[in-house]
Amino acid sequence: GESVGLHLPTLSVQEGDNSIINCAYSNSASDYFIWYKQESGKGPQFIIDIRSNMDKRQGQRVTVLLNKTVKHLSLQIAATQPGDSAVYFCAENIGGSNYKLTFGKGTLLTVNP
Amino acid sequence: EAGVAQSPRYKIIEKRQSVAFWCNPISGHATLYWYQQILGQGPKLLIQFQNNGVVDDSQLPKDRFSAERLKGVDSTLKIQPAKLEDSAVYLCASSLGGWNTEAFFGQGTRLTVV
Repeated sequence: GESVGLHLPTLSVQEGDNSIINCAYSNSASDYFIWYKQESGKGPQFIIDIRSNMDKRQGQRVTVLLNKTVKHLSLQIAATQPGDSAVYFCAENIGGSNYKLTFGKGTLLTVNP
Repeated sequence: EAGVAQSPRYKIIEKRQSVAFWCNPISGHATLYWYQQILGQGPKLLIQFQNNGVVDDSQLPKDRFSAERLKGVDSTLKIQPAKLEDSAVYLCASSLGGWNTEAFFGQGTRLTVV
């Protein structure tokens, strides 16, 4: 079965609020993690990644936190906008240099104006 | 830079028929992936190519699915014969290759088997 899962299948926030999407993984050998955003009718779009030798990485309005002790990953979106509404997937690389990604089931983020 | 191109965008077939999907990766990308995404789930890797060689096809149902990447560029994924449970979006992705390089996805082909 899949080793990556999400705590919440849906998340609804108000525009301007911060969003936090969580993800649990079970493969301790995973060395690379990625958050993807998927809008309806489109393929997944890369948001941010983090390697296992890091705890935190920041992008534009997004931050990914990695807690290897409890095998937990989170995506924080600051000042959430309506355009952020989408399904968010975390994915882990369990294939080493072959970059074999395992995706979780996703969290649907809805931003209310 | 042009993205990953896939065709067709939509396909409806009857069970037991055959179908083929085409993917043109980003120019220069050595690694190409085919994923299957069933409604409400995350993408599942079917097959991974490095240039024209198969790196991983452990989750490809080889009794009915086949894929090739001739000349290490374009790729086709075929299903023959199709089953109802094959209804899904088939996503193609490509990357430069090497350790932990970003994969870019196409828009996918939505297959409905009736």
